[in-house]
Amino acid sequence: DAGITQSPRHKVTETGTPVTLRCHQTENHRYMYWYRQDPGHGLRLIHYSYGVKDTDKGEVSDGYSVSRSKTEDFLLTLESATSSQTSVYFCAISESGGNTGELFFGEGSRLTVL
Amino acid sequence: GENVEQHPSTLSVQEGDSAVIKCTYSDSASNYFPWYKQELGKRPQLIIDIRSNVGEKKDQRIAVTLNKTAKHFSLHITETQPEDSAVYFCAAISTGNQFYFGTGTSLTVIP
Repeated sequence: DAGITQSPRHKVTETGTPVTLRCHQTENHRYMYWYRQDPGHGLRLIHYSYGVKDTDKGEVSDGYSVSRSKTEDFLLTLESATSSQTSVYFCAISESGGNTGELFFGEGSRLTVL
Repeated sequence: GENVEQHPSTLSVQEGDSAVIKCTYSDSASNYFPWYKQELGKRPQLIIDIRSNVGEKKDQRIAVTLNKTAKHFSLHITETQPEDSAVYFCAAISTGNQFYFGTGTSLTVIP
């Protein structure tokens, strides 16, 4: 498996609190992605990064922000968590992005917002 | 952006039968079409992919076909086995380095 780890793996929080999920890779891949997985919706892209400090929005970016200050770390922040953000979050990395590069996923982070 | 539709959402087959999952996409610029398998409680993993200049690709019991004119691609699994039971996702990648996924197909292989 590619060297990609997510933390925390499980988190329960309350509505209105800030939450940060961390994705760490040891592959030196350029592209990093955050997806959320919900029943009936598949995997939906939240944000992605194509380099240090270079990020862009995905299809469901409202309520989320990201930062990438180092090649190996990509942080996803929920500024004020809502119940609709209860989900399983997957980080993924790719060496060449949309240029036919394979996407490797982390193990996922299960977030519950009460 | 790209829109990927996947059917069926659930599929049950008898062991040894074939399974077919179909996807359509909207962006004619999309040029790479991977398929991912996700076992229960695990991460999605790539099982096969196809590029836009190829019409079909096989890897043992799995194959993928692509029809660029109709903008659809399919996953074929032959001689299904219980370990094929999982959720399968198709994806399409256009020019923006974004991987767009279908909503998934839950495949159950009945022994």
